[in-house]
Amino acid sequence: DVKVTQSSRYLVKRTGEKVFLECVQDMDHENMFWYRQDPGLGLRLIYFSYDVKMKEKGDIPEGYSVSREKKERFSLILESASTNQTSMYLCASSLEGMSTEAFFGQGTRLTVV
Amino acid sequence: SQKIEQNSEALNIQEGKTATLTCNYTNYSPAYLQWYRQDPGRGPVFLLLIRENEKEKRKERLKVTFDTTLKQSLFHITASQPADSATYLCALSRSNTGKLIFGQGTTLQVKP
Repeated sequence: DVKVTQSSRYLVKRTGEKVFLECVQDMDHENMFWYRQDPGLGLRLIYFSYDVKMKEKGDIPEGYSVSREKKERFSLILESASTNQTSMYLCASSLEGMSTEAFFGQGTRLTVV
Repeated sequence: SQKIEQNSEALNIQEGKTATLTCNYTNYSPAYLQWYRQDPGRGPVFLLLIRENEKEKRKERLKVTFDTTLKQSLFHITASQPADSATYLCALSRSNTGKLIFGQGTTLQVKP
């Protein structure tokens, strides 16, 4: 079974802190994604990576950066956390190409106070 | 701008009936369309994928249609059960890299 593991289920951080959300997949997938999910807005793509050290901006990259130094690990970085970044963050992975399903982690509920 | 729209209002139906969910898109020419199920507090789970040159795809009680002229996909659950209650999300991919964009999801409630 494909497993996508996010480092934390719940996280509380202070405004202005630098926050790291980690995601690891164990199926050698080329693609990895970070989404945030807010009520009524669905899943919005923050960043997408299609290979090690390769990344592409999603629809809402402002205030975020990513790192993919190894194929299995994709990190989302909040450079200076703000209260409007309080959300559910979901990581996913898939094989390369357009016709492959995405596998999701369990999500990280981040609260910025 | 590119947009994917699903009914934001929850869909309430009686057990045994067919549930039909809609996914519309604009300014987008997806090669593939996918449907996912999401239960509260969990990540989405893949259900079905349909290609742009396919009109219909079935899997057990699920059926998906894809009309590239209308820019619409319909997702049907026949003989619905209370266990089908969840949020259903459609997703589109076009780029060769596999970038996947989601709609906002529709919540389905099946009453016994």
